[in-house]
Amino acid sequence: QAVVTQEPSLTVSPGGTVTLTCGSSTGAVTSGHFPYWFQQKSGQAPRTLIYDTSNRHSWTPARFSGSLLGGKAALTLSGAQPEDEAEYYCLLYYSGLGVFGGGTKLTVL
Amino acid sequence: EVQLVDSGGGLVQPGGSLRLSCAASGFIFTNYWMNWVRQTPGKGLEWVANIREDGSAKYYVDSVKGRFTISRDSAKNSVYLQMNSLRVEDTSVYYCVNSRGYWGQGTLVTVSS
Repeated sequence: QAVVTQEPSLTVSPGGTVTLTCGSSTGAVTSGHFPYWFQQKSGQAPRTLIYDTSNRHSWTPARFSGSLLGGKAALTLSGAQPEDEAEYYCLLYYSGLGVFGGGTKLTVL
Repeated sequence: EVQLVDSGGGLVQPGGSLRLSCAASGFIFTNYWMNWVRQTPGKGLEWVANIREDGSAKYYVDSVKGRFTISRDSAKNSVYLQMNSLRVEDTSVYYCVNSRGYWGQGTLVTVSS
């Protein structure tokens, strides 16, 4: 089974920009992996920020964007806010099978 | 408004069975894959299983293969997860999620003697 890797933790300053990445043990991440990004705040259920690489939901703040970058899926946060402090998970699909990354704990400090 | 309502969780002994349900509304159910995802409190997310729009394909994480079965009923706009031979390590909150990324509220499954 493939392994999906994320940075365990990242810190960003308020108003700053940070990029979270999602890599695959099988090689480059492509749109065919249908990358998803989820945000989970402490004590809350996860919510989807990005689906199919770069599509935002209606509730996804415009400061979040998804892309493919250097063979990985990427979630870029531009203009971080204190309320963005959370755990972020990516999900990739491998011919139908889903695999989550271990999550990135993002601190806004 | 899209809604996914998870139900069916509870306390069960090791080796027992449970059937989870997810009732969907507010979208065209037959246009989307449906997934089950679980999370042990304090830990990360684990993808469990999914089913194609028409039910013709199903996929499972290795740890549940042969024990869990995902199914869907387009007449009831519902997806199910039949869980047999439950183990202590299956204890988690289980969420249904559609392929657009809408989540149910989750249902807690506790496997304990």
